[in-house]
Amino acid sequence: GAVVSQHPSRVICKSGTSVKIECRSLDFQATTMFWYRQFPKKSLMLMATSNEGSKATYEQGVEKDKFLINHASLTLSTLTVTSAHPEDSSFYICSASRGGRGPGELFFGEGSRLTVL
Amino acid sequence: EDKVVQSPLSLVVHEGDTVTLNCSYEVTNFRSLLWYKQEKKAPTFLFMLTSSGIEKKSGRLSSILDKKELSSILNITATQTGDSAIYLCAGSYNTDKLIFGTGTRLQVFP
Repeated sequence: GAVVSQHPSRVICKSGTSVKIECRSLDFQATTMFWYRQFPKKSLMLMATSNEGSKATYEQGVEKDKFLINHASLTLSTLTVTSAHPEDSSFYICSASRGGRGPGELFFGEGSRLTVL
Repeated sequence: EDKVVQSPLSLVVHEGDTVTLNCSYEVTNFRSLLWYKQEKKAPTFLFMLTSSGIEKKSGRLSSILDKKELSSILNITATQTGDSAIYLCAGSYNTDKLIFGTGTRLQVFP
């Protein structure tokens, strides 16, 4: 099946620093990728939709200057958490859409756990 | 406001039991209902339901959508310890966007 890779899987950083998380589709081209955030014992919340070659679309309440998304190629999207604070600590998961075949062809990355000290 | 609600929030059963997980949704421009299993990291796809009343089955798991009641159930028969996970239900809208429910944490003990 299709594979989506996220890196790093875990990152610990100091408050005020920026952290970049990568999401790669390894064996297919993904024109659209999605970034989710998951709090402990909570569900996944869609943060933004990342489209190759254009600006990301952010969900209501998500600060676009805080969470910078870049989708530079058909296989890579990055999420940068800028000036991280402890409340940004969370599990971030990306998903990639294969060829616009609908949500049944969405593949999730393994997730990245961010801890901000 | 769009929302997906799952019940129960958690469930503890013994191996061999049958469980039913519930999902109700209110999603604008609803397209389909998806079920995922999340163990430690990434959710893994179980089912996508688009049509009402048609059961989808995969081994001991089955699921059905009721568009009139805006709900879906996921059944697991003869549960095994390996079924222990969080089961997520999601409504899709606007092509591939998903709104997830809170999840049901299932624990199966031997």
